[in-house]
This record gives sequence, C-alpha cells and structure tokens, in this order.
Amino acid sequence: AQSVTQLDSQVPVFEEAPVELRCNYSSSVSVYLFWYVQYPNQGLQLLLKYLSGSTLVKGINGFEAEFNKSQTSFHLRKPSVHISDTAEYFCAVSLPAFSGGSNYKLTFGKGTLLTVNP
Amino acid sequence: NAGVTQTPKFQVLKTGQSMTLQCAQDMNHNSMYWYRQDPGMGLRLIYYSASEGTTDKGEVPNGYNVSRLNKREFSLRLESAAPSQTSVYFCASSDSRTGRNSPLHFGNGTRLTVT
Repeated sequence: AQSVTQLDSQVPVFEEAPVELRCNYSSSVSVYLFWYVQYPNQGLQLLLKYLSGSTLVKGINGFEAEFNKSQTSFHLRKPSVHISDTAEYFCAVSLPAFSGGSNYKLTFGKGTLLTVNP
Repeated sequence: NAGVTQTPKFQVLKTGQSMTLQCAQDMNHNSMYWYRQDPGMGLRLIYYSASEGTTDKGEVPNGYNVSRLNKREFSLRLESAAPSQTSVYFCASSDSRTGRNSPLHFGNGTRLTVT
C-alpha cells in the first residue's frame, strides 16, 4: 500500500539553526512528492514539489528538499530558520485516484510541527 | 483574488443536527476535494470531485454527503452530526488538466464542534 510517513511529529529548534524535517514514502508506482506548510489558523500552502529531473528541489522561503529514490525519502531542509517559519509541515505524495484512471489525489503524512524559538 | 472560499469559519452543532459546509473556487479548476484535519492524524480525504458532475469517496466518507453544484462550488453535508465529526474541514481545488503534478489550493478551513 502507498503511504507517507513523517518521522517526527514535533521539531523544536532555535532561531538561525539549520533544520531537517524527514519524510519517507512507499509506492509501487513512480511518485510526485510535495511539501506543504500550514501557518496557524490557515489552510495549507505549497512549499515545493518534486516531479522529475534534479533530485534537489528549491521552494519558497529558503526551503529545499532532496528526493532520494533508493532510500524512498524526501526530506525538507533549511540552513537557517526564522521565528516566522514556525508552522506545521506536511509531506504528500500524488497517487492515482483509482486504478487505471487519469485522476490523481494527494495522500498526506501526519505532519511535523516546527517550532522556532528565540 | 479570492482563491478557495469556505463558509462558515466556525460552527457549533448539537449531536443529530445537520448542516452544509460551503466551498467555492474562482480559479476555473476541474477538481475539488474535502479533507478533515484532526490532531496527530494529518489530513484525510473525505470526498473528491474530479470534474463537474462526478464525485467519489475518499478515505473517510461515512457520515458525509457531497454535491458538486457546478464547476465553482462543492458542498459537504453532515446529515446527523456526531461528536466524532468534530474537526477542521478543508476544501481544496486543483487543475486536473495538468495531471498529478497539479498542486492543491486550500481554503482557510471550517472549525466544527459537535457537542
């Protein structure tokens, strides 16, 4: 079965420290991978996505993620975080909505709450 | 530039009451979705609509019904609310013509409490 696992439910860090949020997936088909961010009391926004090509993907707000096919991972990184990065981060994989169909739906991980402390 | 608009923002229901959550998008997207978000559970798909006139069940459809009224609007109905349906509900849309790399655009959510 296809699934997405976010290995840490909470990650506290200090401002200006580097951070890595981990995501692993399992799938029997090729995948498209996404990271979304949710700020308090808001909906989710797309941070970045991997479709094909270069395994290092750059997104908004200085975040980047690396696709590793052999380790089935898509970890999110930022070299120096700010207070404003405090949010919940969701990894997601795009899968066929039904067998043989051309429609797709996202399956989300359970989220990682990143808290940046001064 | 409204994007995806959900109403209401907050709602409190008593067990057994019914209500409809409204969602509208102005991006001419074909596909629309309803998710629920619960602590520690991430987002779980309730129903989705690949295009106008079609709807399909997601992971957790029990206790819900949906209507794709037209291309813009996709409503979620709770016929007889239960405390287990206390959650934050998100509507989303995507342009399915670009295939599975199309990102979702989310509304700001409806926070529902069932007592």
